[in-house]
Amino acid sequence: DVKVTQSSRYLVKRTGEKVFLECVQDMDHENMFWYRQDPGLGLRLIYFSYDVKMKEKGDIPEGYSVSREKKERFSLILESASTNQTSMYLCASSFTSAPPYEQYFGPGTRLTVT
Amino acid sequence: RKEVEQDPGPFNVPEGATVAFNCTYSNSASQSFFWYRQDCRKEPKLLMSVYSSGNEDGRFTAQLNRASQYISLLIRDSKLSDSATYLCVVTRQTGANNLFFGTGTRLTVIP
Repeated sequence: DVKVTQSSRYLVKRTGEKVFLECVQDMDHENMFWYRQDPGLGLRLIYFSYDVKMKEKGDIPEGYSVSREKKERFSLILESASTNQTSMYLCASSFTSAPPYEQYFGPGTRLTVT
Repeated sequence: RKEVEQDPGPFNVPEGATVAFNCTYSNSASQSFFWYRQDCRKEPKLLMSVYSSGNEDGRFTAQLNRASQYISLLIRDSKLSDSATYLCVVTRQTGANNLFFGTGTRLTVIP
């Protein structure tokens, strides 16, 4: 079974803090993704990576950065947390090689910025 | 126009009922289609892929209409455990591995 793990289930941070969210997958997937999910807005793609040290902006990259130093690990960084970044953050991974490209998700990190 | 549009519901149906969800997508070049299921406060999980010929998995049937750019999910003999949000998902562009997720349709099955 594919396993995607995230470092924390719940996180509370103060405005202006630097926040690191970690994601690890154990299936040797090339692609990894970070989404945020908000009520009424669904899942929105923040960043994705299709290889080590490679990254691409998604739909809402502002205020975020990412790091992928190893194939199995993809980190999301909030440089200076703000209250509008309070959300559920979901990491996902998938194979590149062939369709149908389904993605496998971690359990999510519910981040509250106060 | 949104990439993927779904009726948010909620759909409240009695146990044993048949319920159908539809979803429309805007990118005619999309190649892969899925239904994901998301339980309350949990991550989305793949329910089934959707193929051009349609496919069935037990009580669940998925259909794709490329000409009209819509996808459907039919659930027969609804169970209480089917209560969840169902997300319609399509690929963003030809051959790509990025997905657009719909905002989901919420289903509650009532005893």
